[in-house]
Amino acid sequence: DTEVTQTPKHLVMGMTNKKSLKCEQHMGHRAMYWYKQKAKKPPELMFVYSYEKLSINESVPSRFSPECPNSSLLNLHLHALQPEDSALYLCASSQWDKNTGELFFGEGSRLTVL
Amino acid sequence: SQKIEQNSEALNIQEGKTATLTCNYTNYSPAYLQWYRQDPGRGPVFLLLIRENEKEKRKERLKVTFDTTLKQSLFHITASQPADSATYLCAPQNTGRRALTFGSGTRLQVQP
Repeated sequence: DTEVTQTPKHLVMGMTNKKSLKCEQHMGHRAMYWYKQKAKKPPELMFVYSYEKLSINESVPSRFSPECPNSSLLNLHLHALQPEDSALYLCASSQWDKNTGELFFGEGSRLTVL
Repeated sequence: SQKIEQNSEALNIQEGKTATLTCNYTNYSPAYLQWYRQDPGRGPVFLLLIRENEKEKRKERLKVTFDTTLKQSLFHITASQPADSATYLCAPQNTGRRALTFGSGTRLQVQP
């Protein structure tokens, strides 16, 4: 199984809502990532988890809260978002113990903040 | 600061021709460089990785070169097909750094 599964595929939320994006992989990867991608821009790194611990936070606002409950799951909790947070949110995973580990991406969750 | 530059304008070529995409980087000392393909509304897909001690890497119709002196990688698609139309992203990777930072990407359009 070489898939990274993200749910939901589409999400529309108001600025006062609380929602979560979910990501799952069963490749035994111990590194998981959240990227944000705006239209016509490359994916931008938000968070990195290695062995279920947060190892990189790229100065992301606290209205985005990541969580890695186990080695297969990665969540991104959203609260009090702004319209400019509307984007495609991509989850990825890779081997951590391999320098050259390629990233496997999910299909993304398209978020619209009204 | 670190920069990764790819052709910001779309590259339009005729089917059957070779497409050549450029990735230039500054303030990186990458031990590896990865290339990904991204179709609209989908996640990037890994294509090739080249190491700093490799001058060239091939996979089917794809060829990547890596010149650490010029700080440049070239990505070639030979005998291009309309199905190759996509955005191609490069990511220089320093040793020990698992997370990737991507260049802006080059959109390739292959005309039938």
